[in-house]
Amino acid sequence: AQKVTQAQTEISVVEKEDVTLDCVYETRDTTYYLFWYKQPPSGELVFLIRRNSFDEQNEISGRYSWNFQKSTSSFNFTITASQVVDSAVYFCALSEAYEASGSRLTFGEGTQLTVNP
Amino acid sequence: ETGVTQTPRHLVMGMTNKKSLKCEQHLGHNAMYWYKQSAKKPLELMFVYNFKEQTENNSVPSRFSPECPNSSHLFLHLHTLQPEDSALYLCASSQDTRVVLGEQYFGPGTRLTVT
Repeated sequence: AQKVTQAQTEISVVEKEDVTLDCVYETRDTTYYLFWYKQPPSGELVFLIRRNSFDEQNEISGRYSWNFQKSTSSFNFTITASQVVDSAVYFCALSEAYEASGSRLTFGEGTQLTVNP
Repeated sequence: ETGVTQTPRHLVMGMTNKKSLKCEQHLGHNAMYWYKQSAKKPLELMFVYNFKEQTENNSVPSRFSPECPNSSHLFLHLHTLQPEDSALYLCASSQDTRVVLGEQYFGPGTRLTVT
């Protein structure tokens, strides 16, 4: 069975600091998809990125970057020059392809990020 | 309206009440989901519908009863709930559960408190 672990329950940084959110996953499948979602105080989860298991290229989008390392089963998320608006709960999630599983996302427990001015 | 909307945003109900949560998506999707988010716990998938048909019931107690009259609307009927059912209930939609790359879009949730 698949599992996602976000060991950092809470992180607090000062504005402009860089911060990395860790995500480690377990799966028996060779084809799978990894996601990051952001949940601001308003409640809705906002999709940030999707990665498939065959694409280990790191990705950068503005201040956000993702480091996917299959060898360590990790999919870490870095925010550069953090801002107060980045304060939210961030969830890492896994979907296994063999289930044709748009339907089954396994979420980690989330990391509460607080960026202080 | 755009995206996924949920009503009400907040609900307080007694254990003997009957209430319903509503979710509506304006994205032209065919799959809809109910999740439960409790404090300090990962999101728990409750139900999945694809083209109005229920495809997944994740061992949810019968006091939660979903209804999907069409691909745009999803309801969660609640009756005789327990205090431990207090949580944020999130609705999501995606293109089709058979589309593996289809990310899910979430609504803002209904914060439910059972007294």
